[in-house]
Amino acid sequence: GAGVSQSPSNKVTEKGKDVELRCDPISGHTALYWYRQSLGQGLEFLIYFQGNSAPDKSGLPSDRFSAERTGGSVSTLTIQRTQQEDSAVYLCASSLGGRVPNEQYFGPGTRLTVT
Amino acid sequence: AQTVTQSQPEMSVQEAETVTLSCTYDTSESDYYLFWYKQPPSRQMILVIRQEAYKQQNATENRFSVNFQKAAKSFSLKISDSQLGDAAMYFCAYRSLVPAPGTYKYIFGTGTRLKVLA
Repeated sequence: GAGVSQSPSNKVTEKGKDVELRCDPISGHTALYWYRQSLGQGLEFLIYFQGNSAPDKSGLPSDRFSAERTGGSVSTLTIQRTQQEDSAVYLCASSLGGRVPNEQYFGPGTRLTVT
Repeated sequence: AQTVTQSQPEMSVQEAETVTLSCTYDTSESDYYLFWYKQPPSRQMILVIRQEAYKQQNATENRFSVNFQKAAKSFSLKISDSQLGDAAMYFCAYRSLVPAPGTYKYIFGTGTRLKVLA
């Protein structure tokens, strides 16, 4: 079946503009994660959705970042008033969720460049 | 808070040889999982192997095995018979099993870039 997809694959935006990044998880996966990967860095956790539970937003770096997950499926990560330090690859992953970690399946990422 | 440390930014190995990538972590919890992920140049992260903390036996997946030392909080990855396709960034990750808000996130190390020499 189809894996996790993300769009766009690349996004170049001007400083101060808002951007929306989209993630389509694997059908049936209740858990969805967003990560940020800056050049030469590991994955930085941003936000985690699990079913109908309140999302874990503890990794969002500022109030310019927000995310939603509609209908338990597609998720959108929004960055308002982008800054140059927001330039990174944004990765989405989904899994079956639950206490025992099921395998995370990652999307190919969106490379965001803020000029 | 939990932390994951990978102290080797880059490693090289000759094709067909064995290489070990290091990972240490810090936690006060007793129930957790540890993972190794591979990220090739295509950027697609792939799970390599995982270890449940309560299992003393080291996990093995074909040419990949781990050396899990719980007391030392060490979780190294051994790649045997290295192949050119093993060249990638390797990330160590930690995930709590404590059923409390905010604990189900994954914590990743900064990665080790593995080069495989022909």
